[in-house]
Amino acid sequence: EIVLTQSPATLSLSPGERATLSCRASQSVNTYLAWYQHKPGQAPRLLLYDVSNRAPGVPARFSGSGSGIDFTLTISSLEPEDSAIYYCQQRIDWPPLTFGGGTKVEI
Amino acid sequence: EVLLVESGGTLVQPGGSLRLSCVASGFTFSNFWMTWVRQAPGKGLEWVANINADGSEKNYVASVKGRFSISRDDTANSLHLDMTNLRDDDTAMYYCARERAAYDSSDYWGRGTLVTVSS
Repeated sequence: EIVLTQSPATLSLSPGERATLSCRASQSVNTYLAWYQHKPGQAPRLLLYDVSNRAPGVPARFSGSGSGIDFTLTISSLEPEDSAIYYCQQRIDWPPLTFGGGTKVEI
Repeated sequence: EVLLVESGGTLVQPGGSLRLSCVASGFTFSNFWMTWVRQAPGKGLEWVANINADGSEKNYVASVKGRFSISRDDTANSLHLDMTNLRDDDTAMYYCARERAAYDSSDYWGRGTLVTVSS
């Protein structure tokens, strides 16, 4: 089973600042990595699939990069509504389709 | 508009059974793989099970294999999760989600249904 480790656990930033979230895999996942946003009481939301492809309706301030074992989600200019927990998920080795432990972004 | 609405979550005793359901609308349900994901209190997301478009392939996380069963009813646009021999650590919010393709990311999710296993 591939283990995804996300860092930092919590990120506290101000509106307009840049957020950089990391996801490291225990073995290569090639580019089969997705990012989700999850707010309390809401359904999780797909942000990016296959590293850098934005899901429909996702603002351009969300971008992704990486391959192999190291991946980054960047939010270029934080908005107040970006407060959430962000998860990465791999889909190269299944089952299970594992998630990372999450990074909480506080604004 | 794609909608997924889960139901069936409740308080159940350890060792008990429960059936969760998810009704889908806004897309051709029979064309898509579907997934259950859960989130225990204070924890992250955990993939639980998925099923292919025609129901012939089912996969489970090791911790629920042999206790949970995923199924679908395309005539009713419904996904189910039958849970037996429930344990305290099955307590979680359970989300239904649509996979973009086989073993792919999930592009639409429901708001979840809460299962509490406690005596």
